Amino acid sequence: NAGVTQTPKFRVLKTGQSMTLLCAQDMNHEYMYWYRQDPGMGLRLIHYSVGEGTTAKGEVPDGYNVSRLKKQNFLLGLESAAPSQTSVYFCASSYDDRDLRVQYFGPGTRLTVT
Amino acid sequence: DAKTTQPNSMESNEEEPVHLPCNHSTISGTDYIHWYRQLPSQGPEYVIHGLTSNVNNRMASLAIAEDRKSSTLILHRATLRDAAVYYCILSDPNSGYALNFGKGTSLLVTP
Repeated sequence: NAGVTQTPKFRVLKTGQSMTLLCAQDMNHEYMYWYRQDPGMGLRLIHYSVGEGTTAKGEVPDGYNVSRLKKQNFLLGLESAAPSQTSVYFCASSYDDRDLRVQYFGPGTRLTVT
Repeated sequence: DAKTTQPNSMESNEEEPVHLPCNHSTISGTDYIHWYRQLPSQGPEYVIHGLTSNVNNRMASLAIAEDRKSSTLILHRATLRDAAVYYCILSDPNSGYALNFGKGTSLLVTP
């Protein structure tokens, strides 16, 4: 049981380049989330998904797109990277249950855009 | 969104109890109170959560005020490995119950 895994762990992009971050979970969770964390700050929600084939915008969605084609995977895409997207990106997942809505986080992807 | 207020930082001696306070005066009747912590260079980690009654688990205890406008996370015996940022969070039902992270409380544990 690997929990929540994220690929890659580190990446450096040039302004304007594109990339996709992959999040995978093996806990059969319905809900999945993408957050970003800037230095000295708490995490902010980018996009989330409440089930396979569904996605929705969070607090800071601009410049990002997501897809949830399979229940276990949640992809975050940057179409044209900007320096303001330099951050640590965390993926999380949880059950859809009022009493079990605990989020499990991945180890993060550290992205630098130059 | 209901927000929480926490002290920016706290300090504790090793092997002593730590009480981390949190105010959430605008909490609604169905909001769960969550606590997560984040160790340096790691993702957040679940600590405990509750609705109305006090809760205990192997990591900590959660004491919830009767009016639910405040809560306290209790670490019974702090260790050096407990040094982390602790977040008190009310999840947002309008965003798939995503977690509204503030800046949290940075806990320093000294030997």
